[in-house]
Amino acid sequence: EIVLTQSPATLSLSPGERATLSCRASQSVSAYLGWYQQKPGQAPRLLIYDASYRATGIPARFSGSGSGTDFTLTISSLEPEDFAVYYCQQRSNWPGTFGQGTRLEIK
Amino acid sequence: EVQLEQSGAEVKKPGESLKIPCKGSGYRFTSHWIGWVRQMPGKGLEWMGIIFPGDSDTRYSPSFQGQVTISADKSITTAYLQWSSLKASDTAMYYCAVHDSSGYVAYWGQGTLVTVSS
Repeated sequence: EIVLTQSPATLSLSPGERATLSCRASQSVSAYLGWYQQKPGQAPRLLIYDASYRATGIPARFSGSGSGTDFTLTISSLEPEDFAVYYCQQRSNWPGTFGQGTRLEIK
Repeated sequence: EVQLEQSGAEVKKPGESLKIPCKGSGYRFTSHWIGWVRQMPGKGLEWMGIIFPGDSDTRYSPSFQGQVTISADKSITTAYLQWSSLKASDTAMYYCAVHDSSGYVAYWGQGTLVTVSS
């Protein structure tokens, strides 16, 4: 089973700042990595698929990069609604494991 | 519009059985993998298993193999997650989830909270 390790566990930033979240896989997942956002009391929402493609309706301030074992989610300028927990997930093989999450909190 | 409708919260005792539904609408039910994701209180997301309703091909995460049963009734476009004997450690939110053509979960149910307590 592929293990995804996200860092940092918690990121404290202010609105308007740039956020950089990392996800490292225990073995190569090629580009088969996605990112989800989850707000309290809500189901997750798909942001990025296959490392760098924005899902439908996702604002351009969200971008993804990486391949192989190292991936990054970047939020170029934080909006108040972006403070949430972010999960990466690989679909290279079953089960499509999730990372443990990065909590993005307001500084 | 794709919708996944889950049932309301359940409170059960250890050892009891439970089967929770997820009704899909707004898409071709038999053509997309539908699965279940567990989220324990304050914790992250875990894939439990998925089923392809078109041919009932079912896959389980190793952690959940033998612990739950996933099924689907395509005549009523509903998937199910079933336990034969609940444990306190099964207390969690359970989301049904559907892959879109990207291969990722684009659609989520609202979740069913299962509480197992004596």
